[in-house]
Amino acid sequence: AIRMTQSPSSLSASTGDRVTITCRASRGVSSYLAWYQHKPGKAPELLINAALTLQSGVSPRFSGSGSGTEFTLTISTLQSEDSATYYCQQYYSYPLTFGGGTTVEIK
Amino acid sequence: QVQLVESGGGVVQPGRSLRLSCAASGFRFSNYGMHWVRQAPGRGLEWVAVLWPDGKTEYYADSVKGRVTISRDNSKNTLYLQIHSLRAEDTAVYFCARKPLSEWELSADYWGQGTLLTVSS
Repeated sequence: AIRMTQSPSSLSASTGDRVTITCRASRGVSSYLAWYQHKPGKAPELLINAALTLQSGVSPRFSGSGSGTEFTLTISTLQSEDSATYYCQQYYSYPLTFGGGTTVEIK
Repeated sequence: QVQLVESGGGVVQPGRSLRLSCAASGFRFSNYGMHWVRQAPGRGLEWVAVLWPDGKTEYYADSVKGRVTISRDNSKNTLYLQIHSLRAEDTAVYFCARKPLSEWELSADYWGQGTLLTVSS
C-alpha cells in the first residue's frame, strides 16, 4: 500500500496567516490526490481533488499543488472557521490511503 | 441536495456480524460509485471499501478484506456494509461517501454524518 505522510501533524496560527500543509507519498501517485477538511462531529468535506482542482463552493483561500510524491495544501488567509483537521488521500492505486491528518488550531 | 444518512451502528459483541446502511437522496444513486470510510476514536480517516454503480466492481482495504462485504440496492437508493467476525479494532464511526461520476476520479465528494459502531462485550 502507498503510505501518505502529512506534516506537520498539528499547527497553531493566527487569523490572517498563510498556512501550508505538506503531504508526501511513499511512491508516485501522479495527480490522484485529494484534500479533505474534517470538523469534529461533522461530515468530512472534499476541498480539492486531482491535486489542484478546487471543489465548487469551497473558498478560494484554499489551493492545492504538487504531483508525483509531494503535495501541498495552502490556506492563503486563515480564518476562524478553518479550525479543523485536514487529510490528504491518494487514489492512484488500491487500497486507497489517507495521510494521518493535520490539525489546524487558531491562536 | 445530496443527502447521505448512515444507520445500523450500536454496541455489538466481538465475533458477531452487523450490517450498516446508507440511505442516499438528492441524486441518481444508480449512476454513482460509493465508498465506506471509517474513523476509530482518536484516529484519522481510514478508507474501507468502494463499490461501482453496477454493484459488481468492488475493492477493499487490506485490514478488512475477507470480513467485509460492500453491496447496494439501487432500487432502494441504499448502500450497505456487512462486517463479520467483529473485532474491537472495528470500533469506529463509519461514513458513507459518494464517488464523483468520472470513472478515474476516486475521491469522495459528498459524505454522510456517520454511524458509530462499538465492538465490546
